[in-house]
Amino acid sequence: EAGVTQFPSHSVIEKGQTVTLRCDPISGHDNLYWYRRVMGKEIKFLLHFVKESKQDESGMPNNRFLAERTGGTYSTLKVQPAELEDSGVYFCASSQRVEKTEAFFGQGTRLTVV
Amino acid sequence: SQQGEEDPQALSIQEGENATMNCSYKTSINNLQWYRQNSGRGLVHLILIRSNEREKHSGRLRVTLDTSKKSSSLLITASRAADTASYFCATGFQGAQKLVFGQGTRLTINP
Repeated sequence: EAGVTQFPSHSVIEKGQTVTLRCDPISGHDNLYWYRRVMGKEIKFLLHFVKESKQDESGMPNNRFLAERTGGTYSTLKVQPAELEDSGVYFCASSQRVEKTEAFFGQGTRLTVV
Repeated sequence: SQQGEEDPQALSIQEGENATMNCSYKTSINNLQWYRQNSGRGLVHLILIRSNEREKHSGRLRVTLDTSKKSSSLLITASRAADTASYFCATGFQGAQKLVFGQGTRLTINP
């Protein structure tokens, strides 16, 4: 069974540009999460989808970040316009059922804003 | 407020020795999980311990949970070079699906 896959693995963009990160969860997983780790800091929750609905987006830092999950399958996280402090590793995770808390993580996308 | 603070932040030991990492948290939890991240790779789930459990084993891993002290420890026995990685504890809460991570412990196993 394929795990959680994220694309791209690395992205280097200039300040002010737009970047879109993609996450393909494990097939059949209704829950999809985005997390990020800014250099030297802890991994922080961004948001949680249940199928195509945003269940919890309390961790989204500001309105430059837009997450979508059309059709309840893959998800995208767009940063527009990117700022230097957005640099970090963005992780996606998925899990099978609401009451089951084990989440499977992808490899992450390393975003560098220069 | 930050949950899941690990200590030490970095640990370096010789291969074959045991490694112990600790995690403290601040609020009531439903469960506590430990993850490993090898350099440049994703997070790998190691073990989950529920709030009503005190100890759990998985292979060379032993996790304890003390809810009265709001702390957990991860013990890796007979360490191997392949155990070199960052280890994170993450806390889960009743009724919420998000995990709250600490900053992690960087473990280095020297051959």
